[in-house]
Formats: sequence, structure tokens, C-alpha cells
Amino acid sequence: DAKTTQPNSMESNEEEPVHLPCNHSTISGTDYIHWYRQLPSQGPEYVIHGLTSNVNNRMASLAIAEDRKSSTLILHRATLRDAAVYYCILRDVRDYGQNFVFGPGTRLSVLP
Amino acid sequence: EAQVTQNPRYLITVTGKKLTVTCSQNMNHEYMSWYRQDPGLGLRQIYYSMNVEVTDKGDVPEGYKVSRKEKRNFPLILESPSPNQTSLYFCASSSMGLAGINEQFFGPGTRLTVL
Repeated sequence: DAKTTQPNSMESNEEEPVHLPCNHSTISGTDYIHWYRQLPSQGPEYVIHGLTSNVNNRMASLAIAEDRKSSTLILHRATLRDAAVYYCILRDVRDYGQNFVFGPGTRLSVLP
Repeated sequence: EAQVTQNPRYLITVTGKKLTVTCSQNMNHEYMSWYRQDPGLGLRQIYYSMNVEVTDKGDVPEGYKVSRKEKRNFPLILESPSPNQTSLYFCASSSMGLAGINEQFFGPGTRLTVL
């Protein structure tokens, strides 16, 4: 699987937008970009995923660069509850093995 | 309510005493998986299953066994636990779609301590 690179940590102020970057320069045409987050003392939670086009759901937006070598998870209005570790994961849809690899992620702190 | 349940939530045991951690999902998902989470090492996949009777190794399968006799259940078996298997364990399930694995639903976790 192609690798992803994320900053170790980020800070944001409450009620402001947050842009969490992910670099994946070796992404292949069949790699989907998945984002999960893990709140303190909880299991990971799905956030969003996409292939080429930008995606929106009730939790966040995913902006994918035109060359697909990077993507950004956008939280439109951070709340204290959004403080978590955010994981950017690439999954090749052709990989029957479906092995799912989490990296170290970005730890997001939200300041009141 | 759609959910993944794990039991027990907490377990303290001794080296060599066989144990099973159960995982059950009520969403008719094909895909199920086990992860362990350790400080500094993040989440690592132990085993996964694409469907009934179909299982495969993840990144760290040594010392673990799994079975998938029914679609809803995916137990994790430690035949002879050792202290290095002390960890926080998560079970997850997902349906399959165009993207391969869709949204994974995770259980609440099982904190295992092996003395």
C-alpha cells in the first residue's frame, strides 16, 4: 500500500475551521483515501473517504488535490469533541487482502 | 441499534491460560477485523475476515487465532497468552462496496493484561 504522511500534531481554536493535511505522493489510481479519528478512550470512528472528487458528509469534507498526491480533511467548525487523533489511510481497491494499515495520525487539540 | 460488541471489556489473566475475546456485529457485515493498540505503535491489524470461513493474517498475527463460523461473530483466541500480548484490542466490521471496505464500525475495546 502507498504510504501517507501527516503532521504529528495540530492545534485549533474552538468554532474555527480546521484543515488536516495528508501527503500521499505515491498514490495509485485505485487507492481510496480514508479518514478515521479516535477520540480519547474510544475505538476509531469513520470520518469520510473518497477517490478523486471532493466529498462532504455531516462530519467533515475531504478535499483531494487534482494530482491526488495530497488531501485535506476539513472540519468546518471545530468543537471540543473533535479533539482526537486523525488517521489518513490509503486502501487499494484491487487488494483482495483488504489489510487495513493505520499510521501514527495527527493529534488534534482544540482550545476553548 | 447498529453496533459491534466485545466481551469482556477488561481482562486480567496469567501467562499460558487460554482465553477468548468475543466480537459480534448486528449489521450483516461481510468484513471483520481485529486490531491491537499499543502506546507508540498505534493500531496494528492482527487478523481479518472477508466472509464466513475466510480469514487471513494482518500485520501481527503471531500468538493469535481467529475463526469465522458465523457471519456475525469473529472471536479472537489466545491459546497461550504472554505478557507481550498485554494491549488494548479492537474489533471492527464493515460492509464491502466499490471502495472495497466501506465504513468500519469499531467495538468499544478490550483491555487485556497478561501477568
